[in-house]
Amino acid sequence: GAVVSQHPSWVICKSGTSVKIECRSLDFQATTMFWYRQFPKQSLMLMATSNEGSKATYEQGVEKDKFLINHASLTLSTLTVTSAHPEDSSFYICSARDRASGSVSGANVLTFGAGSRLTVL
Amino acid sequence: AQSVSQHNHHVILSEAASLELGCNYSYGGTVNLFWYVQYPGQHLQLLLKYFSGDPLVKGIKGFEAEFIKSKFSFNLRKPSVQWSDTAEYFCAVNGGYQKVTFGTGTKLQVIP
Repeated sequence: GAVVSQHPSWVICKSGTSVKIECRSLDFQATTMFWYRQFPKQSLMLMATSNEGSKATYEQGVEKDKFLINHASLTLSTLTVTSAHPEDSSFYICSARDRASGSVSGANVLTFGAGSRLTVL
Repeated sequence: AQSVSQHNHHVILSEAASLELGCNYSYGGTVNLFWYVQYPGQHLQLLLKYFSGDPLVKGIKGFEAEFIKSKFSFNLRKPSVQWSDTAEYFCAVNGGYQKVTFGTGTKLQVIP
């Protein structure tokens, strides 16, 4: 089945530094990838939709300049948390939609990565 | 805007008990509905989905869910839970656009 690999699985960084998280679709092409953030005891909050070859679409309230998303190929999207601060500490999860689904009924089934735990000191 | 509400945050059951987790959504048009499961230490996995057709859908591991359009509900059920069903369950809705909105999740603890 479809597999999404997310790296790193956890990272600790100092306040003010930037952190990059990678999301790769291993055995399928993903035209669209989604980045979610999960707070403790809360649901997954969609941060942005990443489309291959175009700019990401950010949800309301998500800072574009803080959370840089790049989807340079059909198998890789990256999320860079710039100038990280302790309040950015969270669990970030990416998901991908198989390009082959196209517009058929299975198009909205997502495959999730394992998530990345970011701790900013 | 679309939204999802899960009624139970934490459910504790004994093995062999029946399970029903509530999920209600809000969206004015045609929806796609999902249940995802996250086992301890693992990533989210699709449990089952509804796009159209028979409103009673069957998923993996004996789970099923029923879409009741008039109630805007998509409750998850299993006749007899096992200890291995201990996990967190998320209901999700996709209302025509690309993004999928998740409920707050229900933690299920099954006691042997």
